[in-house]
Amino acid sequence: QSVLTQPPSVSGAPGQRVTISCTGSSSNIGAGYDVHWFQQLPGAAPKLLIYGNNNRPSGVPDRFSGSKSGTSASLAISGLQAEDDADYYCQSSDINSLGGRVFGGGTKLTVL
Amino acid sequence: EVQLVESGGGLVKPGGSLRLSCAASGFSFSTYSMNWVRQAPGKGLEWVSSIGTRSNYIYYAVLVKGRFTISRDNAKNSLFLQMNSLRAEDTAVYYCARDKEGRVRGVPGMDVWGQGTTVTVSS
Repeated sequence: QSVLTQPPSVSGAPGQRVTISCTGSSSNIGAGYDVHWFQQLPGAAPKLLIYGNNNRPSGVPDRFSGSKSGTSASLAISGLQAEDDADYYCQSSDINSLGGRVFGGGTKLTVL
Repeated sequence: EVQLVESGGGLVKPGGSLRLSCAASGFSFSTYSMNWVRQAPGKGLEWVSSIGTRSNYIYYAVLVKGRFTISRDNAKNSLFLQMNSLRAEDTAVYYCARDKEGRVRGVPGMDVWGQGTTVTVSS
């Protein structure tokens, strides 16, 4: 089991908006630690999508947005496109993992 | 171009050893903390180890502590992972990844990733 819990899969039609949740606890997200999101296209390395809860690196479309509240975080993707079909992972810190990074189990987004 | 290139993966028997390398280019390697992250076949991402800019801190995941050793050579812009006492469950693609600069609460995101090198532990 991953320290951070994500739904295994979500889906949406082109143009729609989907959200992916990342549920943690008082030892990670709820402790105030930042959440980061990664996109992994099939056969490729992960790519940083959102950092520090809601910041986009240069080059990431503003269709992608992040938020955090309490012990959970969310990634929202609006105006779904076929190329968004990928795996998405959240990542944060955890009090019980000295200096370590903890990942969510990942969510497969299928664009219908 | 900012780039990380891993090498050193391969097939190794259980109990064996392997040393992974990651060559950095296009950025000032010595000013960034670095990480190893792995992904078992069909599974999610798993953090393995992190190292500070001057090796001033080193952290390991519980599953690899005592068996893996992370190190870096800033003069050669290189990151390493020495893996000993390998087990079947260590089979994965191993990525090196750079920590993003900037203020953060907790650990940073990883903003540059290599293409990965595959490690297979099997008899």
